[in-house]
Amino acid sequence: AQSVTQLGSHVSVSEGALVLLRCNYSSSVPPYLFWYVQYPNQGLQLLLKYTSAATLVKGINGFEAEFKKSETSFHLTKPSAHMSDAAEYFCAVSDLGSGNTGKLIFGQGTTLQVKP
Amino acid sequence: EAGVTQSPTHLIKTRGQQVTLRCSPISGHTSVYWYQQALGLGLQFLLWYDEGEERNRGNFPPRFSGRQFPNYSSELNVNALELEDSALYLCASSLRLAGADEQFFGPGTRLTVL
Repeated sequence: AQSVTQLGSHVSVSEGALVLLRCNYSSSVPPYLFWYVQYPNQGLQLLLKYTSAATLVKGINGFEAEFKKSETSFHLTKPSAHMSDAAEYFCAVSDLGSGNTGKLIFGQGTTLQVKP
Repeated sequence: EAGVTQSPTHLIKTRGQQVTLRCSPISGHTSVYWYQQALGLGLQFLLWYDEGEERNRGNFPPRFSGRQFPNYSSELNVNALELEDSALYLCASSLRLAGADEQFFGPGTRLTVL
């Protein structure tokens, strides 16, 4: 069965510093992976997705993620943090283990704090 | 292009009552999904509707139900509300073949059960 683990429920960086949010997945089939961001009292916004094309995926707002099959990882990075990046970030995998279930399996989320 | 819309934005109910939440997908999307985001429990998949049919449901009791209308909008109904049903309910939509297609989320409905 598919699963997602996000390492670190809280990450704090200084403005201008590198952002690294970690995501590891478990999947019995080639995965489709997603990163979403949630600002306070809002829904989820898609940052980027991996669907077996390029392993380095570029998303919105300067974020990118690299799919590493050997490490079963899909970590999210941004070279320089901005105050507006403070939010909760979710990694997700499509549940395709027994066909198309329509279900996204989410990690527990990582809250990113950006200090001035 | 209008995104996924949900109504109402906030709702307060008491235990035992019933509630209906509404969702309109992005134009052209035929699949609608419902998720529950409860404090401490993360995002949990509730239901998937496509072309008017329920395609899959998550591990929730039968008092959680819904439907999808011919215009692809959807309702989520929760009967006999319990305190632990307090959560943000998120609706999402996608084109068919949701495995590869991303799900686009609405702003959610915040349900408080007293």
